[in-house]
Amino acid sequence: NAGVIQTPRHKVTGKGQEATLWCEPISGHSAVFWYRQTIVQGLEFLTYFRNQAPIDDSGMPKERFSAQMPNQSHSTLKIQSTQPQDSAVYLCASSLESVQDTQYFGPGTRLLVL
Amino acid sequence: QQQVRQSPQSLTVWEGETAILNCSYEDSTFNYFPWYQQFPGEGPALLISIRSVSDKKEDGRFTIFFNKREKKLSLHITDSQPGDSATYFCAASADMGYKLTFGTGTSLLVDP
Repeated sequence: NAGVIQTPRHKVTGKGQEATLWCEPISGHSAVFWYRQTIVQGLEFLTYFRNQAPIDDSGMPKERFSAQMPNQSHSTLKIQSTQPQDSAVYLCASSLESVQDTQYFGPGTRLLVL
Repeated sequence: QQQVRQSPQSLTVWEGETAILNCSYEDSTFNYFPWYQQFPGEGPALLISIRSVSDKKEDGRFTIFFNKREKKLSLHITDSQPGDSATYFCAASADMGYKLTFGTGTSLLVDP
């Protein structure tokens, strides 16, 4: 079991560019979560998929951020027109079935927007 | 508005001592409280969790004490080891909830 895989581990983009972050959940897990971690705001929930369907995106910034889960083996978080304030560690987590099952986190993607 | 609060922000204990990390919450619908441990460069990893129907949960050197009336909980790490040096996050979710609300974390340093 390789755990949750996130790629890339580090990404540097220029202001205004697009960034796509990838997450491969643990095989057999039906729930995928995205969180963002910064020094100032801490760990914040962004969005959640269950059986590939979007369930809750209440934490997603209304503009420029989007997430998809085209199949059960991967999810993407896309940030358009990146801004310096988007710099953060983006964490993906997956869980088995129940909404309160343990969430297993990946190592995160550290995004730096210059 | 911070719905989950942690204190202290940082804590240093000697090896072998007991470290006590505190957490409080505001939302009375929260009923599941996991504690996550995070090392630099890694994602958070579940350490131990408790549901609001219990007032204590123990797993080896790690114990959660939960006070539902006061909306407070604490993580006790007995016989602290240098390898326990990490940041600890208290989190919470509501019944039928899914997203975790995290506290701001406590950075623990165990001096040998």
